[in-house]
Amino acid sequence: AQSVTQLGSHVSVSEGALVLLRCNYSSSVPPYLFWYVQYPNQGLQLLLKYTTGATLVKGINGFEAEFKKSETSFHLTKPSAHMSDAAEYFCAVVISGGYNKLIFGAGTRLAVHP
Amino acid sequence: KAGVTQTPRYLIKTRGQQVTLSCSPISGHRSVSWYQQTPGQGLQFLFEYFSETQRNKGNFPGRFSGRQFSNSRSEMNVSTLELGDSALYLCASSPAPTGTYNEQFFGPGTRLTVL
Repeated sequence: AQSVTQLGSHVSVSEGALVLLRCNYSSSVPPYLFWYVQYPNQGLQLLLKYTTGATLVKGINGFEAEFKKSETSFHLTKPSAHMSDAAEYFCAVVISGGYNKLIFGAGTRLAVHP
Repeated sequence: KAGVTQTPRYLIKTRGQQVTLSCSPISGHRSVSWYQQTPGQGLQFLFEYFSETQRNKGNFPGRFSGRQFSNSRSEMNVSTLELGDSALYLCASSPAPTGTYNEQFFGPGTRLTVL
């Protein structure tokens, strides 16, 4: 079955430190991969997506992710965390079949402390 | 442009009742998807509509249904409510026919509590 796994339900970093949020997927076909962010009491916002082409994808707010087929990973990074990055982050993959579905990981809550 | 709007924002119902949630997509967007978010199950895809037709469907019982109108507005209905239906229901719209494969713009959600 195709799915997505996010390692670490909670990640805490200091302001200015590297942010690394891990995502592994399982897919039998080239995947469509997404990272979404959810701020408290809000809906989700797309950070970035991978469909085809360049494996390093740049998104909004200084985030980027690298698609590594050999590792079936799509980890999200940001060189320097800001207090405003505190939120929940979701990795997602499209599952194709009779019905196409966007499957989300369980989410990683990022805390940024001074 | 106004974002995706969902009404109502909060609802309290009792077991056995039914509920209808409404979603107005961003102007010009014709694809609308619905998701259920709970602490235990996370974010789960319910269904996707485009041009008044259900395009994709998740693994939810028949108590969950939806529809889309000619102006792209969408409603979802849950009949015979169960305690486990308590959740945040998110609506998302996309300008592309297949929103699932493209960027989706999410509304703030409707918080449903079933007592």
